[in-house]
Amino acid sequence: QKEVEQNSGPLSVPEGAIASLNCTYSDRGSQSFFWYRQYSGKSPELIMFIYSNGDKEDGRFTAQLNKASQYVSLLIRDSQPSDSATYLCAVKSGGSNYKLTFGKGTLLTVNP
Amino acid sequence: GAVVSQHPSWVICKSGTSVKIECRSLDFQATTMFWYRQFPKQSLMLMATSNEGSKATYEQGVEKDKFLINHASLTLSTLTVTSAHPEDSSFYICSASAASGIDEQFFGPGTRLTVL
Repeated sequence: QKEVEQNSGPLSVPEGAIASLNCTYSDRGSQSFFWYRQYSGKSPELIMFIYSNGDKEDGRFTAQLNKASQYVSLLIRDSQPSDSATYLCAVKSGGSNYKLTFGKGTLLTVNP
Repeated sequence: GAVVSQHPSWVICKSGTSVKIECRSLDFQATTMFWYRQFPKQSLMLMATSNEGSKATYEQGVEKDKFLINHASLTLSTLTVTSAHPEDSSFYICSASAASGIDEQFFGPGTRLTVL
């Protein structure tokens, strides 16, 4: 059973702070890692994906991957109230069917 | 960017009726489409994977005779919930992967189904 674990939260941070979201996965064969943001009542939207160990930055977002520890994280710098949402970690294992396994998500609240 | 649409965005039906949900990739060809279901405060649960022109692959525990999936073209997949019951009330979301082999899945806006 391939599992993706996230702290359900809620994670509450003040506006302007750094929000740190974490995710662990069980399948060592996993190759691709995605972070999605989901607002209440809406479908997920892709924030970032990462394939290689290390950091990947895109604007205020940084994804970090450590395959040895089976750990992926998302940092949000200068958090804004509009960042308040549920953040879903998704993992794709090796193979050609592009199937993603999602974590349960972490609810982030950014307080003005 | 890649756009995926779903129709309808919400539907209310009586118990025992069937409901069809359409998922379209508007500006790219999707060799693979995925159907997810999400209950309140839960994560997305994959129901099935469909490839154009072939039978869908259902996840364990998903009844293929109840949730009929048709992927007739590279831009359209449909999910039909047959003989719907109140426990089928959920948020149904489709996603699509482009033929280029990129891992990213592009999500539709979702369909909220309420069965009375």
